[in-house]
Amino acid sequence: KAGVTQTPRYLIKTRGQQVTLSCSPISGHRSVSWYQQTPGQGLQFLFEYFSETQRNKGNFPGRFSGRQFSNSRSEMNVSTLELGDSALYLCASSQGTSGGIDEQFFGPGTRLTVL
Amino acid sequence: AQSVTQLGSHVSVSEGALVLLRCNYSSSVPPYLFWYVQYPNQGLQLLLKYTTGATLVKGINGFEAEFKKSETSFHLTKPSAHMSDAAEYFCAVIQRGGTDKLIFGTGTRLQVFP
Repeated sequence: KAGVTQTPRYLIKTRGQQVTLSCSPISGHRSVSWYQQTPGQGLQFLFEYFSETQRNKGNFPGRFSGRQFSNSRSEMNVSTLELGDSALYLCASSQGTSGGIDEQFFGPGTRLTVL
Repeated sequence: AQSVTQLGSHVSVSEGALVLLRCNYSSSVPPYLFWYVQYPNQGLQLLLKYTTGATLVKGINGFEAEFKKSETSFHLTKPSAHMSDAAEYFCAVIQRGGTDKLIFGTGTRLQVFP
């Protein structure tokens, strides 16, 4: 079974631009969660999508948004990029039906650098 | 709000020595508890988890952790370290009855010396 894939793996943008990251979950998984990892703030939860609906949201500004398609693939978008948005963005997929017990499988991440 | 504390951002051990990585959670109701490992330039891999039942949980690669409610702890141990164990380890929690929102500790980088 193929794992979670994220594209692109590396991205360089400049301040003020916007960016879209993509995540393809494991086949059959309906939940996709996104996390931001930085040296200063560590791993922080961005949002979770389940069956095309946002089910949970972290404490990030509205510049961070996401969506999920009918095939469970998910995208996250960051508008008006700031230097502080430079981070590793990880997505994780799970079946999402057992109230948090299901194992979440992580992708390798997208490394975003904002100049 | 839920929080997770990992004592020690860096831990160094010799190959063959005991590995002990500490994790404490703060919530009145014990959450689901997880340990993840991250190797350089990779995503996270689940080592083990505690949801219910036996408080001593065995995971992959010889790791285990014990849930102690009285101490609000879920420390990770391995009897004998291998060079390949060098990585960053994250303790995480999910609120019971919630969804997939993992709350992570700040991580502990494990170094293994020959």
